Amino acid sequence: DTGVSQNPRHKITKRGQNVTFRCDPISEHNRLYWYRQTLGQGPEFLTYFQNEAQLEKSRLLSDRFSAERPKGSFSTLEIQRTEQGDSAMYLCASSLAGTVTEQFFGPGTRLTVL
Amino acid sequence: GENVEQHPSTLSVQEGDSAVIKCTYSDSASNYFPWYKQELGKRPQLIIDIRSNVGEKKDQRIAVTLNKTAKHFSLHITETQPEDSAVYFCAAPGGVSGGYNKLIFGAGTRLAVHP
Repeated sequence: DTGVSQNPRHKITKRGQNVTFRCDPISEHNRLYWYRQTLGQGPEFLTYFQNEAQLEKSRLLSDRFSAERPKGSFSTLEIQRTEQGDSAMYLCASSLAGTVTEQFFGPGTRLTVL
Repeated sequence: GENVEQHPSTLSVQEGDSAVIKCTYSDSASNYFPWYKQELGKRPQLIIDIRSNVGEKKDQRIAVTLNKTAKHFSLHITETQPEDSAVYFCAAPGGVSGGYNKLIFGAGTRLAVHP
């Protein structure tokens, strides 16, 4: 499978725990994006990387959220001290660099905070 | 600010009819307008996109039109089929600091095509 992959696909955790998600983009894509999608809504932008540089972060991304892309390939999104409001689908997408180009989405990680 | 509004939120049509979904955007510098289809439990998938240097683009039963002056764009699906049933999202790029790379999505339109 040469598409964007995400792990785990589902995560159930208790409030206050830390969770980490992983995204593997399409191999030749140097841009990687994280979005959050809640039921009945469109994806909301969280942050994006070009290679290993984090170029933009949304105001939605509180200080409990951190994302990394250390070698410019896969990325991780960590949520510390999870809250029930963090329950959502976390989507990763990747694209080629250049003028705005098509973003390919992964299957998402569904987070449930009890 | 950056905003994309999408209407209607739900759309129900008979098989074979046409469906039209409309979006407006706020950032006049936006230059790329994709449409994504998301089936239940699946990832969003691009079905068609248009850039600001053209006014219309067609791909088989799907077409998108763009009016830059009015800042709105529309998705047209002709001869709808039950497998077209899904949630459709429009999007536009936003974020001056990021070079207009992130996408701002509309709230989605749930399309139901009845046999």
